[in-house]
Amino acid sequence: DAGVTQSPTHLIKTRGQQVTLRCSPKSGHDTVSWYQQALGQGPQFIFQYYEEEERQRGNFPDRFSGHQFPNYSSELNVNALLLGDSALYLCASSLWLAGGWSYEQYFGPGTRLTVT
Amino acid sequence: RKEVEQDPGPFNVPEGATVAFNCTYSNSASQSFFWYRQDCRKEPKLLMSVYSSGNEDGRFTAQLNRASQYISLLIRDSKLSDSATYLCVVILKTSYDKVIFGPGTSLSVIP
Repeated sequence: DAGVTQSPTHLIKTRGQQVTLRCSPKSGHDTVSWYQQALGQGPQFIFQYYEEEERQRGNFPDRFSGHQFPNYSSELNVNALLLGDSALYLCASSLWLAGGWSYEQYFGPGTRLTVT
Repeated sequence: RKEVEQDPGPFNVPEGATVAFNCTYSNSASQSFFWYRQDCRKEPKLLMSVYSSGNEDGRFTAQLNRASQYISLLIRDSKLSDSATYLCVVILKTSYDKVIFGPGTSLSVIP
């Protein structure tokens, strides 16, 4: 049973650059959520995708955007990188049910982004 | 006040001890609750959901107190492998499902 995969595992970028992170959900899952986790803190919800649409969004600026593909995989794009964007970016997959999404999430190993 | 707060930790306990973590939430409209564990430099993993009636999974027991707006996690007979950070998660249904992670409580089980 394929779990959640993310790429790359590590990334170093310079302020002002743009970055794209990738995620493939757990087999059988159709919903992908993205989180940012700064050192020593809990993950913060960025947004969620289902049926190739952004369904929910947390309190993050428009510099953070995403996409979901027909095979349910997803990308997170961050433009105009700031030093404060340095963090672990986690992707979580879940199922969308009749009444909404299943709150039980399975996380990928994350991408550690360093902005210098 | 933060939306979700947890015991600051770290907790250092001997093997075999019983340890309890608390998590408080500020919005009474919060509707779903979970505990995750996160090993150092790894991803969070779902430990258990928390139900109003309380629920148990082996050595782990989770409780929800809606009146006082807190959830708890009890670990009995601690093992070395229980060493991790424990994150509580609260889901608040607003115009969207707001997923809020607490800052986590670190546990070290000592031989």
